[in-house]
Amino acid sequence: KAGVTQTPRYLIKTRGQQVTLSCSPISGHRSVSWYQQTPGQGLQFLFEYFSETQRNKGNFPGRFSGRQFSNSRSEMNVSTLELGDSALYLCASSLEGATNEKLFFGSGTQLSVL
Amino acid sequence: AQSVTQPDIHITVSEGASLELRCNYSYGATPYLFWYVQSPGQGLQLLLKYFSGDTLVQGIKGFEAEFKRSQSSFNLRKPSVHWSDAAEYFCAVGGRFSGGYNKLIFGAGTRLAVHP
Repeated sequence: KAGVTQTPRYLIKTRGQQVTLSCSPISGHRSVSWYQQTPGQGLQFLFEYFSETQRNKGNFPGRFSGRQFSNSRSEMNVSTLELGDSALYLCASSLEGATNEKLFFGSGTQLSVL
Repeated sequence: AQSVTQPDIHITVSEGASLELRCNYSYGATPYLFWYVQSPGQGLQLLLKYFSGDTLVQGIKGFEAEFKRSQSSFNLRKPSVHWSDAAEYFCAVGGRFSGGYNKLIFGAGTRLAVHP
């Protein structure tokens, strides 16, 4: 079974631009979660999608948004990029998204905002 | 507020030595507890998890962790470290948090270096 795939692997943008990151979960997994990882803040939960609906969310501004398609693939969008948005963005999938489930992580998208 | 604390940012051990990584959590009910490992340039991989039952849980790669309710701790241990264990280790707590959302909260991580 293929693992969680995130594209692109690296991204360089300038302030004010917007960016879209993609995540393909493991086949059969219906829950996709997104995390932001930075050296200073560690891993911060962004949101979780299940069956094309946002089910859980963290404490990020509205500039961070996402969506999930019928095949469970998910995209995350960040608008009006700020320098502080530079981070590794990790996507994780699981079967049902239950809190006690094992998460399968992708290798992440490294976003640099200049 | 709910939180996860990993007091040690960096730990260095010699290959073959024993290892203990500390994790303390703050959560109102019995939490779901996890340890994940992240190798450089990679995503996170689950080492082990605790939900209920036996407080000593075994994981992959020879790791184990012990849940101690009285100390709100879930420390990770390995009796003999291998050079390939060098990585960053994250403790996490899963449950329903403020705002009514279910999510996983991660600690800041402990970076492990292994000397030959």
